[in-house]
Amino acid sequence: NAGVTQTPKFRVLKTGQSMTLLCAQDMNHEYMYWYRQDPGMGLRLIHYSVGEGTTAKGEVPDGYNVSRLKKQNFLLGLESAAPSQTSVYFCASSPEAYEQYFGPGTRLTVT
Amino acid sequence: KNQVEQSPQSLIILEGKNCTLQCNYTVSPFSNLRWYKQDTGRGPVSLTIMTFSENTKSNGRYTATLDADTKQSSLHITASQLSDSASYICVVSAQAGGSYIPTFGRGTSLIVHP
Repeated sequence: NAGVTQTPKFRVLKTGQSMTLLCAQDMNHEYMYWYRQDPGMGLRLIHYSVGEGTTAKGEVPDGYNVSRLKKQNFLLGLESAAPSQTSVYFCASSPEAYEQYFGPGTRLTVT
Repeated sequence: KNQVEQSPQSLIILEGKNCTLQCNYTVSPFSNLRWYKQDTGRGPVSLTIMTFSENTKSNGRYTATLDADTKQSSLHITASQLSDSASYICVVSAQAGGSYIPTFGRGTSLIVHP
């Protein structure tokens, strides 16, 4: 039981490049979330999903897209990366809306 | 706008001492409040979770309290250990339709010195 895993762990992008971050959970959780964490700030919700095939916007969705084609996977896409998207990205999942289990994070740098 | 404020921003204590971290929130409609511990370079790990009807919850040396009337919570750490050095994050969730939207505080950075 691996819990929540994130791929990749580190990535450096040039401005304008695109990439997809993968979050996978093996706990059969319905809810999945993507957050970003910046120095001196709390985690901010980018997008979330309450079940397979559903997605919703969080607090800071601009510049990101998501997909939940399979229950166990939640993908976060950056179509045209910007330096302002340099951050640490965390994925989380939960069986209902209370308890969230976080992945180890992906550190993204956009130059 | 839903907000969660934590204090102090940072705290340094000696090993073995107790400490209390504070969380004030303006989140509506309130669903639940959670405290997380985040070690450097790792994802947050849940310590406690409380709903509206609960006013205290313990997890080993960690005890969280909730006053829903004043919208305040505290996390008390007893007999601190070096491994308690971490960021402690207060998270308050609001119920929106069938979903629960979390608002995160910025965290309190705790350093425990030997």
